[in-house]
Amino acid sequence: GAVVSQHPSRVICKSGTSVKIECRSLDFQATTMFWYRQFPKQSLMLMATSNEGSKATYEQGVEKDKFLINHASLTLSTLTVTSAHPEDSSFYICSAILSGGGTDTQYFGPGTRLTVL
Amino acid sequence: SQQGEEDPQALSIQEGENATMNCSYKTSINNLQWYRQNSGRGLVHLILIRSNEREKHSGRLRVTLDTSKKSSSLLITASRAADTASYFCATDAKQAGTALIFGKGTTLSVSS
Repeated sequence: GAVVSQHPSRVICKSGTSVKIECRSLDFQATTMFWYRQFPKQSLMLMATSNEGSKATYEQGVEKDKFLINHASLTLSTLTVTSAHPEDSSFYICSAILSGGGTDTQYFGPGTRLTVL
Repeated sequence: SQQGEEDPQALSIQEGENATMNCSYKTSINNLQWYRQNSGRGLVHLILIRSNEREKHSGRLRVTLDTSKKSSSLLITASRAADTASYFCATDAKQAGTALIFGKGTTLSVSS
């Protein structure tokens, strides 16, 4: 099956610094990727839709200036958490859509655990 | 935004028993999927059921879908300790390419 990778898998940073998380579709091209956030013991919440070559679409309540998304190629989307604070500590998961045969299938990355001290 | 509501929120059973989790959603869907997530790990896709299907089986898993009630159930038969995890339903809207919207999840604990 299709594979989506995320890097890094874990990151610890100091408050006020910026952190970049990469999401790659390894064996397929994805014009659309999604970013989710999951707080402990909670479900996945959609943050934004990342479209290759255009601006990301953010869900209500998600600050676009804080969570910068860049989808510069068909296999890579990046999420940058700017000026991170402890409340941004969370599990960030991306997914990529593989289109083919008239259907769209989402493949999820393994997630990135962000801890902000 | 969250589309689905699962119940129960937490379920504790003994090995060998069956576990049933329910999910309700709000809008029309193309598909409904169930995922498993072990603590602190990524998602594992379990099963997909299309809006025109009513029941689907995969190994010890049985999923039902009732589009008139906008609900689905996941049955795990003959549970094992390794089934201990959180289970989420996820739906996609009728438009192609839209994100999956996840329910709140059910945390299943299977004790030996």
